[in-house]
Amino acid sequence: DTEVTQTPKHLVMGMTNKKSLKCEQHMGHRAMYWYKQKAKKPPELMFVYSYEKLSINESVPSRFSPECPNSSLLNLHLHALQPEDSALYLCASSQQEVGETQYFGPGTRLLVL
Amino acid sequence: GENVEQHPSTLSVQEGDSAVIKCTYSDSASNYFPWYKQELGKGPQLIIDIRSNVGEKKDQRIAVTLNKTAKHFSLHITETQPEDSAVYFCAASPYSSASKIIFGSGTRLSIRP
Repeated sequence: DTEVTQTPKHLVMGMTNKKSLKCEQHMGHRAMYWYKQKAKKPPELMFVYSYEKLSINESVPSRFSPECPNSSLLNLHLHALQPEDSALYLCASSQQEVGETQYFGPGTRLLVL
Repeated sequence: GENVEQHPSTLSVQEGDSAVIKCTYSDSASNYFPWYKQELGKGPQLIIDIRSNVGEKKDQRIAVTLNKTAKHFSLHITETQPEDSAVYFCAASPYSSASKIIFGSGTRLSIRP
C-alpha cells in the first residue's frame, strides 16, 4: 500500500485566519515532504522532514509553519496567508530521505480570499 | 544546481498510437529519474523510474530510456488509451541533494478517440 492521505481536500480561508493541513502515511516511511503546486506548473518543494526533524526549508515565508508530531503525521500550519498563496498543497513521503521514491498524496486545494 | 527541461509541453496522439516525452538534465551526477502522471484534481502518481546504472526499463505499455552520456531520458507509452490523458512530469534527483526531486515543466498528453 503506497497511500498518503491528506485532509481537508479543499480549504477556503481569509487572510486573517489560522488553519492547518494534515498529512498521514502508514508505510513506515521516515521522510515526509510538503510541496506547493500552482496551476500548470510542477510541484515546488517547501519542507523536508527526516526522522521527524526538519532537514530542508526552501526559504518558505514564516506564515507557513510545518510540524511533524510523529513518524506518520505531518502538519502545515497556515497563518496570515496572502491570495498568492492559493495553490494545491501536496504531501509526499519516502522510505528514507536520500534518493528514494517519493509517493504523493492527493493534495489540499487552498483558496485564500 | 540541477535543471530539468521537458518537451513537448503539449502532445496529442491518436488512440492506439505511441507517445514519447523527452527530458534533459544538467547535473551529470544525478542518478535517479522518476516519471509522474498527474490527473486532473489529483496528486502526482509515480508510473516508472530508472536509476543511472540501467539504460532502459519497461513496465507493460510504459518504458523509460536513459542516456547518461547525452544527459537525457525519455518516456515511451505504446498503444495509448483514453485513460493515458494526463500531465506527465519527468524529474531528476541530484546526487548533491538526493532528498530533492527537480521536476521538468510537464507535458499535457491528450489521447484523441
